[in-house]
Amino acid sequence: SQQGEEDPQALSIQEGENATMNCSYKTSINNLQWYRQNSGRGLVHLILIRSNEREKHSGRLRVTLDTSKKSSSLLITASRAADTASYFCATDAYSGAGSYQLTFGKGTKLSVIP
Amino acid sequence: DGGITQSPKYLFRKEGQNVTLSCEQNLNHDAMYWYRQDPGQGLRLIYYSQIVNDFQKGDIAEGYSVSREKKESFPLTVTSAQKNPTAFYLCASSIDHATSGRNEQYFGPGTRLTVT
Repeated sequence: SQQGEEDPQALSIQEGENATMNCSYKTSINNLQWYRQNSGRGLVHLILIRSNEREKHSGRLRVTLDTSKKSSSLLITASRAADTASYFCATDAYSGAGSYQLTFGKGTKLSVIP
Repeated sequence: DGGITQSPKYLFRKEGQNVTLSCEQNLNHDAMYWYRQDPGQGLRLIYYSQIVNDFQKGDIAEGYSVSREKKESFPLTVTSAQKNPTAFYLCASSIDHATSGRNEQYFGPGTRLTVT
């Protein structure tokens, strides 16, 4: 099954700076989702962008999607120490027999230094 | 207080024993999922269920079994046939699966299983 690949694997920034994470994938998708995971916890859904959308905003989050390049980016503006977490992209695609499957990448580990 | 609960948070078992992980949701979601997460890795789908009394294998179903007798519950059994059972297990749910690609998944807090 296809999988999103995040880049970079790890990112360390100062509080107040912007953080950008990228996700690339291999085949056509229905939508792409970003999730956040604090250490040792479950994932929390952040934002969903459909294949016919190019950009979406939610608070300090900005997501872009370029289907021609099969890539997406997540921008967190004015980062805070509380943003420290792992961020995963998940691609939703048709998996056959009338079913869709959400496939997760390996994540970007973001550290925001106070 | 709606959400997904998983219990226990930590679980320790001896090799060769079967162990069942609990997952309960009160979100009235039709679809439920089990994922496995290894250190530094993404999530891999073990099993999913679209409706009661029905479930499908995911990408890494070998050595695992599930049941879906109630809408709210989707327990996962890690059998002795699973070669590397030590991992972090996450349960999730979504409104439905047929259009799940359009819906977000809600995750439980996870169960960390250690088998020695």
